[in-house]
Amino acid sequence: AQSVTQLDSHVSVSEGTPVLLRCNYSSSYSPSLFWYVQHPNKGLQLLLKYTSAATLVKGINGFEAEFKKSETSFHLTKPSAHMSDAAEYFCVVIFSGGYQKVTFGTGTKLQVIP
Amino acid sequence: GAVVSQHPSWVICKSGTSVKIECRSLDFQATTMFWYRQFPKQSLMLMATSNEGSKATYEQGVEKDKFLINHASLTLSTLTVTSAHPEDSSFYICSARSPGSGANVLTFGAGSRLTVL
Repeated sequence: AQSVTQLDSHVSVSEGTPVLLRCNYSSSYSPSLFWYVQHPNKGLQLLLKYTSAATLVKGINGFEAEFKKSETSFHLTKPSAHMSDAAEYFCVVIFSGGYQKVTFGTGTKLQVIP
Repeated sequence: GAVVSQHPSWVICKSGTSVKIECRSLDFQATTMFWYRQFPKQSLMLMATSNEGSKATYEQGVEKDKFLINHASLTLSTLTVTSAHPEDSSFYICSARSPGSGANVLTFGAGSRLTVL
């Protein structure tokens, strides 16, 4: 079965400290992996994507993620959190195959403490 | 970059009435669009895949007579919530695959918040 797991529903960090949001997937096929951010009452904005090129992917606003096939992980990181980073983050996976179904993680709410 | 526009962003209606939400791809053609529903503090739930010129494909458990989807052109898909009830109150989001990305990148609309009184 194909699935996406975001291990933490809530993450709280102090402003200026590193951010780590975890995402694991399970699939028999090579996936395309994405991180999206959602601010309150807003749609989703693409942060970054992995599509079988470089395993370390850099995105917008200083975020990056590393695809680790052996660990089936795609964790999102940022060296220094800003107050504006407070939002909900979704790991999204598209599993290649006949249907290419889009699967969302359950989301991680990031709180940044001043 | 690719932009998807949703309208209205907020709508309040009386129980029993129908509400239409539009999803437009502004600068590209989208043969396929997706409709999601998001409950408070939860992830997005795929409701249906909207295909231009053909019937939508609904996910299991989604009432197709309740949530009517029409994809009449390459830039417009509509979701109509028929005979709305308070339990239909939710945040509805659409998305479309951005062209030329080669990586199935989805561009999302800003969402439409429906409140049924």
